[in-house]
Amino acid sequence: ELKVEQNPLFLSMQEGKNYTIYCNYSTTSDRLYWYRQDPGKSLESLFVLLSNGAVKQEGRLMASLDTKARLSTLHITAAVHDLSATYFCAGHMDSNYQLIWGAGTKLIIKP
Amino acid sequence: GAVVSQHPSWVICKSGTSVKIECRSLDFQATTMFWYRQFPKQSLMLMATSNEGSKATYEQGVEKDKFLINHASLTLSTLTVTSAHPEDSSFYICSARDPGALGVPTQYFGPGTRLTVL
Repeated sequence: ELKVEQNPLFLSMQEGKNYTIYCNYSTTSDRLYWYRQDPGKSLESLFVLLSNGAVKQEGRLMASLDTKARLSTLHITAAVHDLSATYFCAGHMDSNYQLIWGAGTKLIIKP
Repeated sequence: GAVVSQHPSWVICKSGTSVKIECRSLDFQATTMFWYRQFPKQSLMLMATSNEGSKATYEQGVEKDKFLINHASLTLSTLTVTSAHPEDSSFYICSARDPGALGVPTQYFGPGTRLTVL
């Protein structure tokens, strides 16, 4: 059974700083997703990581996947206030198309 | 990216009444849609997987007679909360699975429906 754990669950940081959110998963997942959710809103797809060593970047966010370590990371570079949101990672079970969700990381970036 | 719409965005109803929520994929066909609920400050909880032309698959603990799902076409799935009670108040989010042009499927999420049962 696939389980997904995110760390940390809550993060408050100053603008301009760097930080990494970690996503560990328990068994083989054929792909790993990162989503962003703003308060009261639905989810926005950020990245889909398909293979070992995959790295994707969009602005100040960079996601990577290490399938051997069963670890994905979301790295924030020089954080800005607009990145404040809750970030979810999710593993994927191809057998039934379900996403298995992490608990989410609430990120607050202070000016 | 692909667009998924939900209607209504917010509904307040009296206890005992039924509420229908629609989920539409606007620019792609979705044989599979998913219904989630989310309580404040919690992650998403999958309620059911909706398959076009067949019965939905419900997760353990979700009452199929209370949460009726109909996926009548490749672009529309509906969730009906029957005899709603205050404990059903939640944020309901649907997603639609886009198979992807290059074989990389992605779930696109609707904007969510906030249900408040008085």
